[in-house]
Amino acid sequence: KQEVTQIPAALSVPEGENLVLNCSFTDSAIYNLQWFRQDPGKGLTSLLLIQSSQREQTSGRLNASLDKSSGRSTLYIAASQPGDSATYLCAVKYNFNKFYFGSGTKLNVKP
Amino acid sequence: NAGVTQTPKFQVLKTGQSMTLQCAQDMNHNSMYWYRQDPGMGLRLIYYSASEGTTDKGEVPNGYNVSRLNKREFSLRLESAAPSQTSVYFCASKLQGTIGNEKLFFGSGTQLSVL
Repeated sequence: KQEVTQIPAALSVPEGENLVLNCSFTDSAIYNLQWFRQDPGKGLTSLLLIQSSQREQTSGRLNASLDKSSGRSTLYIAASQPGDSATYLCAVKYNFNKFYFGSGTKLNVKP
Repeated sequence: NAGVTQTPKFQVLKTGQSMTLQCAQDMNHNSMYWYRQDPGMGLRLIYYSASEGTTDKGEVPNGYNVSRLNKREFSLRLESAAPSQTSVYFCASKLQGTIGNEKLFFGSGTQLSVL
């Protein structure tokens, strides 16, 4: 069974801090990995997608890295803002059409 | 663009009742998915449809049925609701088979309570 783990489950930081969210997966034979943001009562929004052949992707203040050999991905958020407060989930794709999700890290950025 | 639209947003059922959750996307996506989200457990795949006319079971299909009505619409049916099916249900879609275009797009969810 494919497992995707996100630690910590919750994180609280002061505004302006740089932070790293972690995602680990048990099987390194992935097709791609996505990071999502979920606001309370809302659906998920895709932030970054990394193909298995890539090492990282960047979008604005967000940078996602992928290390397949160690089964890990990190999402780096630079200069955090209160508007970044949300739950962040990672999802790994193994076979043709199935995505496996972690349970998420709930981020609170304090003003 | 509407994206992925789910109805209803909220629903309360009694044990044994049936209902259908509706999902429609207007992005001409091939693949559609139904997930449930429970506290501390992430999203779990119930059923998916790789293309119009095909459906496959995911991790937790028991107690559910699906219909891919056409390319736009993918419905999820609970024939006899149980309290264990209390959850938030999400529909998602994506393009199929296009490297680099595998972003999943989600609806806003249906919060279902079974009493």
